[in-house]
Amino acid sequence: KQEVTQIPAALSVPEGENLVLNCSFTDSAIYNLQWFRQDPGKGLTSLLLIQSSQREQTSGRLNASLDKSSGRSTLYIAASQPGDSATYLCAVGGSYIPTFGRGTSLIVHP
Amino acid sequence: DAGVTQSPTHLIKTRGQQVTLRCSPKSGHDTVSWYQQALGQGPQFIFQYYEEEERQRGNFPDRFSGHQFPNYSSELNVNALLLGDSALYLCASSLGLADEQFFGPGTRLTVL
Repeated sequence: KQEVTQIPAALSVPEGENLVLNCSFTDSAIYNLQWFRQDPGKGLTSLLLIQSSQREQTSGRLNASLDKSSGRSTLYIAASQPGDSATYLCAVGGSYIPTFGRGTSLIVHP
Repeated sequence: DAGVTQSPTHLIKTRGQQVTLRCSPKSGHDTVSWYQQALGQGPQFIFQYYEEEERQRGNFPDRFSGHQFPNYSSELNVNALLLGDSALYLCASSLGLADEQFFGPGTRLTVL
């Protein structure tokens, strides 16, 4: 059974800081790993998808890396802004059912 | 280009009742997955439909059933509702079984 853990569970930072969110998984036989953002009570917005053959993906101020062998992914957010405040979730896809972590709740204060 | 749509947005039911939630996938997508998200938790996978068949199923009882139509839209049915079924129900669509998933806004189900 795949298990996904996200650390930290919550984070509060001042505007402008560079952030690293962590996602770890127990089974390295994955197809892909996807990072999402979720605003309170809303659906999920896809941020980045990393296929199992890739090491990283970038979109604007976001960069996600994947290390299958160690079962880890990181989401790097550069120059954080108050609008980045949300819960960030990672999801792992493979031969088993898609599995999400519980998320990191991020607050960026002005 | 319409994204994933879900209906209704909110629903209130009582214990023992039955409910049907609906999802229309993003244009061009042929695969629909359903998730249940309790407050403060990550989404839990219920099942996935592709070519009108259930392809994968998570650890949910048979009270949870689904259907996919020829136009790729999907329904989630829950029978004999329990208080613990109260959650945000999310639908995601993708092109194929292992591709990037796009989520709808969700249906908030409250069971009283």
